[in-house]
Amino acid sequence: RKEVEQDPGPFNVPEGATVAFNCTYSNSASQSFFWYRQDCRKEPKLLMSVYSSGNEDGRFTAQLNRASQYISLLIRDSKLSDSATYLCAVKGQTGGTSYGKLTFGQGTILTVHP
Amino acid sequence: GAVVSQHPSRVICKSGTSVKIECRSLDFQATTMFWYRQFPKKSLMLMATSNEGSKATYEQGVEKDKFLINHASLTLSTLTVTSAHPEDSSFYICSASGWTSNNEQFFGPGTRLTVL
Repeated sequence: RKEVEQDPGPFNVPEGATVAFNCTYSNSASQSFFWYRQDCRKEPKLLMSVYSSGNEDGRFTAQLNRASQYISLLIRDSKLSDSATYLCAVKGQTGGTSYGKLTFGQGTILTVHP
Repeated sequence: GAVVSQHPSRVICKSGTSVKIECRSLDFQATTMFWYRQFPKKSLMLMATSNEGSKATYEQGVEKDKFLINHASLTLSTLTVTSAHPEDSSFYICSASGWTSNNEQFFGPGTRLTVL
């Protein structure tokens, strides 16, 4: 089983739509969780961290469910500029050999069309 | 956020040559640098973790003699792809983190390597 698994997509949605991505992780001791956005041929850029209480940043909402070991990202009122690949990432447990390592999901391609 | 640069941004080389990629943290001290590889339409795969002044820790399946990593200072790490082959063609991305960046990883812009 992969350490981090993500919806394969691709997602093609019209402008204004709401779209949700899910990601599951296998290591229950994982400490930190993130969503990154990656544009074509560019480096990933941090979109938001994911907290247990859930967090929102404008049109973006991230949720963490530790019991079921998944994280989610909800994008409301999609814009054309939201078209990108969205990667979830999990950081290893504190103090372990995996500390600081980010493990990425395979990414989900989102295309928002007019 | 902090700035990480990579050089070169793109390189094309002949099979059998070695290629060196530099990763620099421009405005903070990077105690740890990570090297990733990304094939087309695939995710980033961590190759190795390097801490300043010590040997890099390689992920399973990554040949340390082929991918030489040096992290001699708090602002510079290099990845050398030795005797490159076409299957090494990929997008190589570094990231850097340090106490001054609250341990968040900041990514460089990546280096696209094409081996002919």
